Amino acid sequence: AQTVTQSQPEMSVQEAETVTLSCTYDTSESNYYLFWYKQPPSRQMILVIRQEAYKQQNATENRFSVNFQKAAKSFSLKISDSQLGDTAMYFCAFMKRSGAGSYQLTFGKGTKLSVIP
Amino acid sequence: DSGVTQTPKHLITATGQRVTLRCSPRSGDLSVYWYQQSLDQGLQFLIQYYNGEERAKGNILERFSAQQFPDLHSELNLSSLELGDSALYFCASSSSVGTGFIGEAFFGQGTRLTVV
Repeated sequence: AQTVTQSQPEMSVQEAETVTLSCTYDTSESNYYLFWYKQPPSRQMILVIRQEAYKQQNATENRFSVNFQKAAKSFSLKISDSQLGDTAMYFCAFMKRSGAGSYQLTFGKGTKLSVIP
Repeated sequence: DSGVTQTPKHLITATGQRVTLRCSPRSGDLSVYWYQQSLDQGLQFLIQYYNGEERAKGNILERFSAQQFPDLHSELNLSSLELGDSALYFCASSSSVGTGFIGEAFFGQGTRLTVV
């Protein structure tokens, strides 16, 4: 079974600063997908960024970027120029193929990020 | 708007009762996932369906069951409800085109279940 570990239950960062959230995963698969989801107080699950394991280049979405280390099974999220609206719970997620056309999606326990004015 | 619709948004019911949560996936998505999120907790995977067939089971209680219908919508049935079943229940869907890249899972807004 795949496991996803987020070792930082809570973090805080000053507005406009940079913060990095950690995620490690355990799998024997070679093809899979990794995601960071954001859950603000509204509880809506919002995709922040995704990474295909076969791509060596790290994904970037505006102020959000990842450091994907496949050999180390590490997938960290960097948030630059933190904004108050970034305050949320962040979940790392792993997705792998589980059968013909279907995929299994596993989440870490989350990191609660607070952006301080 | 993710394109995934969950109804109802809120549900209050008494212990011992049975409820049905409904999920309509994004148009064309064949996979549906159900997750349970208790207060300040992560997402616990319950069950996954793909094109009408059960594909994976997580920590789903025997009192809970689900199905996916031919039109691809899914229902999660919770019976003999207990106070501890109070949670936010999410449905998500993802697409699949042959063996190609399927993209991310899109989440509905969740159904907040309160058992009193």
